[in-house]
Amino acid sequence: QSALTQPPSASGSPGQSVTISCTGTSSDVGGYNHVSWYQQHPGKAPKLMIYEVSKRPSGVPDRFSGSKSGNTASLTVSGLQAEDEADYYCSSFAGSNNYVFGTGTKVTVL
Amino acid sequence: QVQLQESGPGLVKPSETLSLTCIVSGASISRYSWSWIRQPAGEGLEWIGRSYTSGGTDYNPSLRSRVTVSVDTSKNQFSLRLTSVTAADTAVYYCARDSGRAGDFDYWGQGTLVTVSS
Repeated sequence: QSALTQPPSASGSPGQSVTISCTGTSSDVGGYNHVSWYQQHPGKAPKLMIYEVSKRPSGVPDRFSGSKSGNTASLTVSGLQAEDEADYYCSSFAGSNNYVFGTGTKVTVL
Repeated sequence: QVQLQESGPGLVKPSETLSLTCIVSGASISRYSWSWIRQPAGEGLEWIGRSYTSGGTDYNPSLRSRVTVSVDTSKNQFSLRLTSVTAADTAVYYCARDSGRAGDFDYWGQGTLVTVSS
């Protein structure tokens, strides 16, 4: 099972939007609506930001949104804030009770 | 609130067995499924395996032959055993709770670094 493909980096100025892609196959991202996104600050554990493609857990700002088209899922962070600077990982159910994560994207707030 | 705390040796010799425990507080371990996830330094996340409320388990196919995840309901904790370790198993190991929605992990431990070296 190969890792999902994410761009290594993305950036934006405060107040702008940034979108991160997560590309898999029909066996994972394209086959199920079980895509989630995690935010990870340096030295910290990942934090769930989006589940089931586009749903936000309680407490996650509505600046974070998710979507999916075919084998590619996307995370958009609107109104970028300094605290949004972190690594972001996608994850998908991959069938046969297996899960795969993305390669990770470092978001920089300029 | 739900809290998870990993514990175990920080250094394991090559070819030996890595053993970690995750103590859960704020939630009954018998009501959820629980996973182990690891992250080599500077790299991405890798799901290792999980234990279900039924006692069943699922493992990453790439690690299946070396991994065992088990639950101790009397102590509200679950464990990871990874046999025949090599330097490639050096990573921060996280324990996490499966949300129950199939595919996402809503609570994580802080992580523990395990180094495989002689």
